[in-house]
Amino acid sequence: DVKVTQSSRYLVKRTGEKVFLECVQDMDHENMFWYRQDPGLGLRLIYFSYDVKMKEKGDIPEGYSVSREKKERFSLILESASTNQTSMYLCASSTQLTSGRSSYEQYFGPGTRLTVT
Amino acid sequence: AQSVTQLGSHVSVSEGALVLLRCNYSSSVPPYLFWYVQYPNQGLQLLLKYTTGATLVKGINGFEAEFKKSETSFHLTKPSAHMSDAAEYFCAVSETGGFKTIFGAGTRLFVKA
Repeated sequence: DVKVTQSSRYLVKRTGEKVFLECVQDMDHENMFWYRQDPGLGLRLIYFSYDVKMKEKGDIPEGYSVSREKKERFSLILESASTNQTSMYLCASSTQLTSGRSSYEQYFGPGTRLTVT
Repeated sequence: AQSVTQLGSHVSVSEGALVLLRCNYSSSVPPYLFWYVQYPNQGLQLLLKYTTGATLVKGINGFEAEFKKSETSFHLTKPSAHMSDAAEYFCAVSETGGFKTIFGAGTRLFVKA
């Protein structure tokens, strides 16, 4: 059974703190993603990675950075947390396609609800 | 650029009634289309997907969706709602050859007894 785990379900941090969100997948997937989910806005892509040490900015990368040192682990870093980063953060992974049919379906972790006070 | 529009942020149906959640997309190339479901305090789970081939796609829990290219739609249906279907549903689109998936804003489904 495929599994994506996130280090915390709930997190409370103070403004200005450095925050680390960890995500681990056990499916040997090449691609990993970080999204934030806000009511009425759906999921917005922060960063993604298609290989170890590779990263690409998504739609809302400002205020965030990422790290992928191992294939199974993808970390999201809030360099200096601010109240407008209070949100649900979702990690996902997907397999990379070779030739032939492809699916692009993503597998999601349970989410981390981050509150910045 | 791709975009996804889900009509109705909230939909309420009675138990046993038809469920219809609407999704329209825009894409410059043939898309891959998905419906995901999110139960309270959980991540998203794939309900069904369209890649190529048959335009009527069946998913888990009795849901199905039909890809209509002429209408750029991918509406989700279920003939008879169950209380356990209460959740938030997301339509999503990705372009072939791309990494990114664009998600709609979501539709929360309420099921009344």
